[in-house]
Amino acid sequence: GDSVTQMEGPVTLSEEAFLTINCTYTATGYPSLFWYVQYPGEGLQLLLKATKADDKGSNKGFEATYRKETTSFHLEKGSVQVSDSAVYFCALSDQGGSEKLVFGKGTKLTVNP
Amino acid sequence: DAGVIQSPRHEVTEMGQEVTLRCKPISGHNSLFWYRQTMMRGLELLIYFNNNVPIDDSGMPEDRFSAKMPNASFSTLKIQPSEPRDSAVYFCASSPQGAYTEAFFGQGTRLTVV
Repeated sequence: GDSVTQMEGPVTLSEEAFLTINCTYTATGYPSLFWYVQYPGEGLQLLLKATKADDKGSNKGFEATYRKETTSFHLEKGSVQVSDSAVYFCALSDQGGSEKLVFGKGTKLTVNP
Repeated sequence: DAGVIQSPRHEVTEMGQEVTLRCKPISGHNSLFWYRQTMMRGLELLIYFNNNVPIDDSGMPEDRFSAKMPNASFSTLKIQPSEPRDSAVYFCASSPQGAYTEAFFGQGTRLTVV
């Protein structure tokens, strides 16, 4: 079945450091790919998405490119802030199937001043 | 729109008691999902509905868990009897119909079974 694998955390960075969180997926069809973010005590909210190969999703300085050849959707940000501290989830939605979201296990990011 | 509304936000109950979690999806959304989040297992999909019909309940852990969606604006997740290992944060999410759609999450219900 469909699955998502993302790098284990936690990740701790200093403010203004470069961030990469790796995500790879397995899917039988042509999924849409998402990054969700969860701040402490809150539900998940969409950060960015890409719906087809080579699409780049971007939001709030974060970017991720849908790479079909490597089945990857790595999240990057050039300069993180303390306010980016959260848990980040990679997810896919199998458009050809049920539309349900399959999530990775999440990566906790802590940014220190 | 107020977003997905879940109640209660926190629930503490004794082992063996019945627990009912409630969810009001965003108006007009066709799909509704129940997730459970724990440190050990991460985010697990329990069940999801499309147009009020359960489509996939393969994630429901056992018969103690049941979910209903009597109409487009309300869903419940019931645990009877509850056990300490059910302690988790339960999220409800909804999404509109169609491809490329995102899910909108509620703030979750933190359940503690003692």
